[in-house]
Parts: sequence; C-alpha cells; structure tokens
Amino acid sequence: AQSVTQLDSHVSVSEGTPVLLRCNYSSSYSPSLFWYVQHPNKGLQLLLKYTSAATLVKGINGFEAEFKKSETSFHLTKPSAHMSDAAEYFCVVSPLNQAGTALIFGKGTTLSVSS
Amino acid sequence: KAGVTQTPRYLIKTRGQQVTLSCSPISGHRSVSWYQQTPGQGLQFLFEYFSETQRNKGNFPGRFSGRQFSNSRSEMNVSTLELGDSALYLCASSLRGGPEETQYFGPGTRLLVL
Repeated sequence: AQSVTQLDSHVSVSEGTPVLLRCNYSSSYSPSLFWYVQHPNKGLQLLLKYTSAATLVKGINGFEAEFKKSETSFHLTKPSAHMSDAAEYFCVVSPLNQAGTALIFGKGTTLSVSS
Repeated sequence: KAGVTQTPRYLIKTRGQQVTLSCSPISGHRSVSWYQQTPGQGLQFLFEYFSETQRNKGNFPGRFSGRQFSNSRSEMNVSTLELGDSALYLCASSLRGGPEETQYFGPGTRLLVL
C-alpha cells in the first residue's frame, strides 16, 4: 500500500526566513508526488509535482521540492517566507499501479508566518 | 477557462436526510473525483468517474454514491445522513484521470449535519 507521512503538523517561521515542510512516502512503485496548498476557506491549489523526470522540482511562488528515492522523501522548501504563505500544505501520492486517479493525502502541515 | 465549480457551497441537513452535491469540471476534462475533508480524518478519496463509469472507489459505506453525466458533470449523493458526514466535500477534475495528471480542485461544498 502507498502512503505519505508529513512529519510536522505545524511549522512556524518568521517572514524572510527559509521554509522546510517534510514529507516521507511509502510506495512499492516509483510514485507521482505532489504538494498542494489550501488557504482558509479556499480549495486546493497545486504547488508542484514530481513525475519521474528531474528530481528537483520547481513550483509556483518560489517553492521547490527534491525527490530523494534513497530517503523516500519529498520535502518542500522555500528560501524566504512571505506572510501570504501562511496556509495548510498537503503532500500527496498518486498510485501508479492502477488506472485512473485516487490521491492519497498526508495529514497536512499548517504553516504560520510571523512578521 | 472556468475552474471547477461546486454547488451548493454550504448546506445544512438533519440526520436521516439525504443530500446531493454537484460538480462541474473544467471544460474538456473527463475525469471527476470526489474527496471528503474532516478535521479528524483529513482528506480521503471517495470515488472517481470517467466517461460516466465509476473507475475507482475509496473505503466509504454504500450510503455514499455518485454518478457522471455525458457532459462530464458529476453528482454525489449521501443517503441517511449521520453526524459524522459533516465535512467539506471537494471535487477535482483532470483530462483523463491519469495518475501523473494534475487534479484541479473546486472550492468545495461544506455540509453540516445536525
């Protein structure tokens, strides 16, 4: 079975400092991995995705993530946090051993950004 | 292009009633999937429809059902509502529903069961 574990339920940073949101995955196959963000009372927005091309993936708003197969990790980073980055972030795995889609979400990490 | 739209946005029902939620995918998208979001269980996959056929199903009781129409619009139905069905229900669409495709999510329908 495939799964994702987000290692921190809550991360707090100061504006202008780096952001690190950690995600480990479990999969028998080389998976497709995604990071989505959810702002309060809004739907989910894709930040970036890994689909077996480059292991360093760049996304929107300055976010990037590195796929490390040896560590089964897909951590999300950003060099400098903005107040507008405060939201909930989800690491997601998409099983490749089936037709169609059935995303598996991590429990989420709430990012707080203080001025 | 217009995004994924869901109606209604908010809904209040009482236990035992049934409810129908609607989702209109992005134009040209043929795969529609549904997710339930609760504070306790997080985001969980309900089911996926492609070309009017249910292609994948999550681990939910039979009270949860859905369908897809020829124009790719989808509805989900919950019968005999329970308090635990209170949640944000999110719909997502993609071109063909491939596992590498980006899923585009709607704003959700917030259901409160009293």
